[in-house]
Formats: sequence, C-alpha cells, structure tokens
Amino acid sequence: AQSVTQLDSHVSVSEGTPVLLRCNYSSSYSPSLFWYVQHPNKGLQLLLKYTSAATLVKGINGFEAEFKKSETSFHLTKPSAHMSDAAEYFCVVSDPRTGRRALTFGSGTRLQVQP
Amino acid sequence: SAVISQKPSRDICQRGTSLTIQCQVDSQVTMMFWYRQQPGQSLTLIATANQGSEATYESGFVIDKFPISRPNLTFSTLTVSNMSPEDSSIYLCSVVSRTSGLYNEQFFGPGTRLTVL
Repeated sequence: AQSVTQLDSHVSVSEGTPVLLRCNYSSSYSPSLFWYVQHPNKGLQLLLKYTSAATLVKGINGFEAEFKKSETSFHLTKPSAHMSDAAEYFCVVSDPRTGRRALTFGSGTRLQVQP
Repeated sequence: SAVISQKPSRDICQRGTSLTIQCQVDSQVTMMFWYRQQPGQSLTLIATANQGSEATYESGFVIDKFPISRPNLTFSTLTVSNMSPEDSSIYLCSVVSRTSGLYNEQFFGPGTRLTVL
C-alpha cells in the first residue's frame, strides 16, 4: 500500500527566507510523486511532479523538490519565500502500475509567511 | 491540462435532503474521481467514476449515500444523499487527462463547498 507522511503540519517563515516542507513516502514500487498547493478558498494546483526522469524536479513559482530513494523522501523547497506562497501544501503519491490510478494525499502542511 | 468546472460552487442544505454536484470537463478524459475534504483536513478519495458502469467506492463510502453517474467521457455527477451536518465538506472532482500517460497527473475542479444545517 502507498502512503505519504508530511512531517510538519505548520511551517512559519519570514519573507525572503528559504522554505522547506518535508515529505516521506511509502510505496511498493517506484512511485509518481506530486506536490499540490491550495490557496484559501481556491482549488488545488499542481506545483510539480516526479516521474522518474530526473531526481531534482523544478515546478512553478520557484519551487523545486528532490526525490531521494534511499531516504524515501520528496521534500519541497524554495530559496526565498514570498507572501503569496502562504497556503496549504499537499504531498501526494501514486503508482498506477499497481492498477490503482487514484492519488493518496498527505495530511498537508500549512505555510505561513511573515512580513 | 484539462479545464474542469463544478456546479454548484457552494450550497447550504437542510439535513435529510440530497444534493447533486456536477463536474464538467472541456475535453475527453480517461478517468474521473471524486474526493472529499472535510474542514481543516486533507483530501480523501470517495470513488472512481467509471464511464457506463457502476462507480468503484473506497472503504467507508457506499453507493446509497454517494451515488455517482458518469454517462460520457466529459461529465459526472455525485449525489450526497440524506445529508447530515457531518457531510459538510468540500467535494472535488479530478480527472486524468489523455496526456497524463503512465504518471497519473490529475487536475482538480474548483470544488463544491457544502454546508449542512
């Protein structure tokens, strides 16, 4: 069975400082991994995806994530936080090769950005 | 990417009534799903909407409570039946587009915010 664990429910950073949102996954196979962002009262937007082509994945709005198989991690980072980054972030795993095409969501990390 | 619309965007309903939520996609998609997001929580999969056949429900969700239809490749409905305050949630549909390939990238609708009094 596949699962994800987001290690922090809340992260608070100052504007202009780095962002690190941590995610560990569990999967029987080589998974597909995603980060989605949900701004208040907005829909879910795909930030980036890992699909085995490259371990360092670049996404939108300056975010990137590194797939580390040895650590079963897929942490999300950004060098410099912006006020507009304040939102809920979800780490998501999927492995369609198991025959299951649905996504399994982590519990979410709320990012606060202080001025 | 696929453009997905949901109707209604929000509703306030009385307990014991039912609400049908529509999901429309602007292109043919391979798979459609329905998720629930309870207040302050993450997303939980309700079911996979199968075109032309009965939906596949996850553990804890049943057809009598959440009947789903998918008459074609671009449209699906989810009904929340005999509602109680515990059904107050955001309901989202998502799709796997034909361009997603093996990697199962999904696109989400804007959600329907349901409040049951």
